[in-house]
Amino acid sequence: DAGVIQSPRHEVTEMGQEVTLRCKPISGHDYLFWYRQTMMRGLELLIYFNNNVPIDDSGMPEDRFSAKMPNASFSTLKIQPSEPRDSAVYFCASSFRRQLQYFGPGTRLTVT
Amino acid sequence: ELKVEQNPLFLSMQEGKNYTIYCNYSTTSDRLYWYRQDPGKSLESLFVLLSNGAVKQEGRLMASLDTKARLSTLHITAAVHDLSATYFCAVSGNDMRFGAGTRLTVKP
Repeated sequence: DAGVIQSPRHEVTEMGQEVTLRCKPISGHDYLFWYRQTMMRGLELLIYFNNNVPIDDSGMPEDRFSAKMPNASFSTLKIQPSEPRDSAVYFCASSFRRQLQYFGPGTRLTVT
Repeated sequence: ELKVEQNPLFLSMQEGKNYTIYCNYSTTSDRLYWYRQDPGKSLESLFVLLSNGAVKQEGRLMASLDTKARLSTLHITAAVHDLSATYFCAVSGNDMRFGAGTRLTVKP
């Protein structure tokens, strides 16, 4: 398996623009997680899905953030409108039955 | 609110020595994770601990969980340079919280 795939790897955008981050989990995994990492706030869980259903989105910072998982092999995290404070590395991870999580390479987002 | 305290935050070790990283948390949880992150890289899962007294070992790393004390430890045995990285614990309960990370440097 290719592991968890994230795209794009780097994104630079201007404040106010819409940003969409994409994730393809490992085949057969039933959990998918979105995390954010910044120097100031460390690692944060934003949202996670079980069998494509959002279970806990309490970590989503604001209504500007939304996440979807239309099928078992694809998820998106959207920020609209983006702000400079959204600059971070966003990780997607997947697991089977909440066992060890496998992380994607991350998307480094810069909002200017 | 779930709080996770990890210490030390910085650890410089000599090769061959042993040391322990501590992860304390404030409320009941159903599982505890340990991760490793190399600079500029993604995270690698090391262990998931589910129950009181759980112990898992992989190579020179051993993790344990005491749910009564709300404490997990990551013990490093005979450290080698390749273990230099940042180690995070994360606790999953009603929500999920990460520790601040322990930046480990192993010197020859």
